[in-house]
Amino acid sequence: DAKTTQPNSMESNEEEPVHLPCNHSTISGTDYIHWYRQLPSQGPEYVIHGLTSNVNNRMASLAIAEDRKSSTLILHRATLRDAAVYYCILRDTGSGNTGKLIFGQGTTLQVKP
Amino acid sequence: DTGVSQDPRHKITKRGQNVTFRCDPISEHNRLYWYRQTLGQGPEFLTYFQNEAQLEKSRLLSDRFSAERPKGSFSTLEIQRTEQGDSAMYLCASSLASTGFGNTIYFGEGSWLTVV
Repeated sequence: DAKTTQPNSMESNEEEPVHLPCNHSTISGTDYIHWYRQLPSQGPEYVIHGLTSNVNNRMASLAIAEDRKSSTLILHRATLRDAAVYYCILRDTGSGNTGKLIFGQGTTLQVKP
Repeated sequence: DTGVSQDPRHKITKRGQNVTFRCDPISEHNRLYWYRQTLGQGPEFLTYFQNEAQLEKSRLLSDRFSAERPKGSFSTLEIQRTEQGDSAMYLCASSLASTGFGNTIYFGEGSWLTVV
């Protein structure tokens, strides 16, 4: 079962920042926090991942709480192309583990022009 | 294009027929995953290969489903005696087997199956 909790849906206005929350109170020390998004009729797309420190890349930023029990995906300026289902996933990448992703329901992000 | 490639992208089949999907992972990725996704749901894990060895199978993978990865390169997922409940998108993904930060999983565009 998925070990994360996300809101079912969120709305944002175009060109405004979006903060997508995720709770993962049962996170273990070897779990990485991964975010994927899925546009309609496409496969999931990797967005960002992190372990303890905040992470930035060209797509987004990931803010991780100090106790690691929650995180927030930040899209700095939402565009219409960011409308998708966003999945927050804990992934155990320790030695001997398959490292598979277990998806939950995700958050459906709507971006209004 | 050096991403994960899946074929065919769409397949319509009659109930009871067999279908096979092919996945070509990213070159040098030794881990390969199959997922199934139905409308409105997140992808569900089906099975996992490391090189040619199938190391994990979900309970979702009934006896009618079989997956192979000969020579540790491309993989096939076969569904025998298809049922309407098999209608879904079948996703393939691949990654390197290194532990820790570097082994991002990359997904293909999926193969849509409609059983009529």
